[in-house]
Amino acid sequence: GEDVEQSLFLSVREGDSSVINCTYTDSSSTYLYWYKQEPGAGLQLLTYIFSNMDMKQDQRLTVLLNKKDKHLSLRIADTQTGDSAIYFCAESANYGQNFVFGPGTRLSVLP
Amino acid sequence: EADIYQTPRYLVIGTGKKITLECSQTMGHDKMYWYQQDPGMELHLIHYSYGVNSTEKGDLSSESTVSRIRTEHFPLTLESARPSHTSQYLCASSESVGADTQYFGPGTRLTVL
Repeated sequence: GEDVEQSLFLSVREGDSSVINCTYTDSSSTYLYWYKQEPGAGLQLLTYIFSNMDMKQDQRLTVLLNKKDKHLSLRIADTQTGDSAIYFCAESANYGQNFVFGPGTRLSVLP
Repeated sequence: EADIYQTPRYLVIGTGKKITLECSQTMGHDKMYWYQQDPGMELHLIHYSYGVNSTEKGDLSSESTVSRIRTEHFPLTLESARPSHTSQYLCASSESVGADTQYFGPGTRLTVL
């Protein structure tokens, strides 16, 4: 089946930029997503990008998509302690018939 | 802000009990999903529905069952809870058109003693 991979852990200092990476295998992906999960909570949609876009920016968040390499990244500028959470990458294909989540990257922000 | 609700938020129950986890959404979404997630771990899809009277099993085998009698409601039932069912259960919904974005409820943390 299709697969989404992420590194499991990332630590950054407060005020630095964080870059969370994701790779996927489904060449027919139509949308790619980033979700944030804080302890004990559900997943919160941060942003998504259509597969024909290269970049999307929303305040401190920048999403970059390299469709050729099937690589997605999420950059968080000026990372704050409140950004500490697990970040899930996900992709959908076949008009939502296939929706696959990555394993999540645990971001720790150090003071 | 997504309008999807789950109750209870926390449940501690003894082995052998029957339980139903509730999930409701007010967005009129056709698609609904149940995921099982151990703390800090991956999401595993256990059930999904593409509309009323439609239910399918997900990637992870589960002893739970679901029903979809109304668009807004997608309850999950365990006939006889066991300690191995201890986990967090997340419900989500999405539209049938557009970005297929899944919106999640807050989750139910189930502990079976």
